[in-house]
Amino acid sequence: KAGVTQTPRYLIKTRGQQVTLSCSPISGHRSVSWYQQTPGQGLQFLFEYFSETQRNKGNFPGRFSGRQFSNSRSEMNVSTLELGDSALYLCASSRPGQGAGETQYFGPGTRLLVL
Amino acid sequence: QKEVEQDPGPLSVPEGAIVSLNCTYSNSAFQYFMWYRQYSRKGPELLMYTYSSGNKEDGRFTAQVDKSSKYISLFIRDSQPSDSATYLCAVLTGGGNKLTFGTGTQLKVEL
Repeated sequence: KAGVTQTPRYLIKTRGQQVTLSCSPISGHRSVSWYQQTPGQGLQFLFEYFSETQRNKGNFPGRFSGRQFSNSRSEMNVSTLELGDSALYLCASSRPGQGAGETQYFGPGTRLLVL
Repeated sequence: QKEVEQDPGPLSVPEGAIVSLNCTYSNSAFQYFMWYRQYSRKGPELLMYTYSSGNKEDGRFTAQVDKSSKYISLFIRDSQPSDSATYLCAVLTGGGNKLTFGTGTQLKVEL
């Protein structure tokens, strides 16, 4: 069974630009969560989508947004990039129907560098 | 106070040693606890998943939750160089699948 895939794997942008990252969950998984990982702050929750609806949101500014499509694939968008947005962006998927605390499987991440 | 706090690393041990990794959490209502392992330049990989309190064992790995002290631990027996990675504790802190992670402990197992 294929794992979570994320594209692109590496990205370089300049301040002020916007970026879109993509995540394809494991087949059959309907929940997709996004996390930001930086050396200073560690892994921080951005948001979660389930059945095309945002189910949960972390404490990030509105420049960070996401969406989920009917096939469960998800995208996240960061507008007006800042230097501090340089990070590894991780996507995790999980299977529904297990109640709270569904096991999440992570993709390899997209490494974003903002210059 | 942070919701999840993890002992800072790095931690260096000889091959074959028993490793103890620890975290504390702030809210006694938390029920779901996980340990993830992350190799350099990779995404986190789920190692252990525990609901409520008690111990859970999987091969060389044992996860322990002490709800009275809000303390979670991961023990690695007979550590191997391939165990060298960053270990992250995580707690389900919100509805759905919101995980809050500790800062991670970098472990190096030396020959």
